[in-house]
Amino acid sequence: GIQVEQSPPDLILQEGANSTLRCNFSDSVNNLQWFHQNPWGQLINLFYIPSGTKQNGRLSATTVATERYSLLYISSSQTTDSGVYFCAVNKAAGNKLTFGGGTRVLVKP
Amino acid sequence: GAVVSQHPSWVICKSGTSVKIECRSLDFQATTMFWYRQFPKQSLMLMATSNEGSKATYEQGVEKDKFLINHASLTLSTLTVTSAHPEDSSFYICSASVTSGRAPKTQYFGPGTRLLVL
Repeated sequence: GIQVEQSPPDLILQEGANSTLRCNFSDSVNNLQWFHQNPWGQLINLFYIPSGTKQNGRLSATTVATERYSLLYISSSQTTDSGVYFCAVNKAAGNKLTFGGGTRVLVKP
Repeated sequence: GAVVSQHPSWVICKSGTSVKIECRSLDFQATTMFWYRQFPKQSLMLMATSNEGSKATYEQGVEKDKFLINHASLTLSTLTVTSAHPEDSSFYICSASVTSGRAPKTQYFGPGTRLLVL
């Protein structure tokens, strides 16, 4: 099956810092989503981004499908950004999501 | 919009008992729902895909007789953990796939159910 790798596995940031999270995938996909899992376990949809660039407030994402990677940018990080960020993909003709291992982010005040 | 609820949010049960978890899409219809399991500090692992009105499709290694899935309507899927054992203790999360209107194939996730089997 498709492999999804995220880096870095852990990230500690000072409040106000910027960061980039990476997601590499091993095969062509027709869907890529970024999620934030908060400390209570809820997964929050950040982006549906099979290709191109999107921005939502302090967050933005870029997916380069031909090179099989996606980036999530967090700017001016806040303590509420802490949690685990997952990317997940599904292959063409399928709807099952395969999750990466996640990046655990801690933003310190 | 695209809200998914789960009930209960947490449950503690004795070994050998069965536990039912409900997953509902509150403001949209979902022909497909998914059930995931997440162990502490690990990623989400898909257990099964549930299609309304048909049998669920289980991932390799997931016992279908132990994890019973029913998807009787476009807004409700249930997961029953039968004869639960301590190793079944985990965080169970459902998701629903939007069928029309919003971006297709986007999955929206419920808040999860924490199961502890004593």
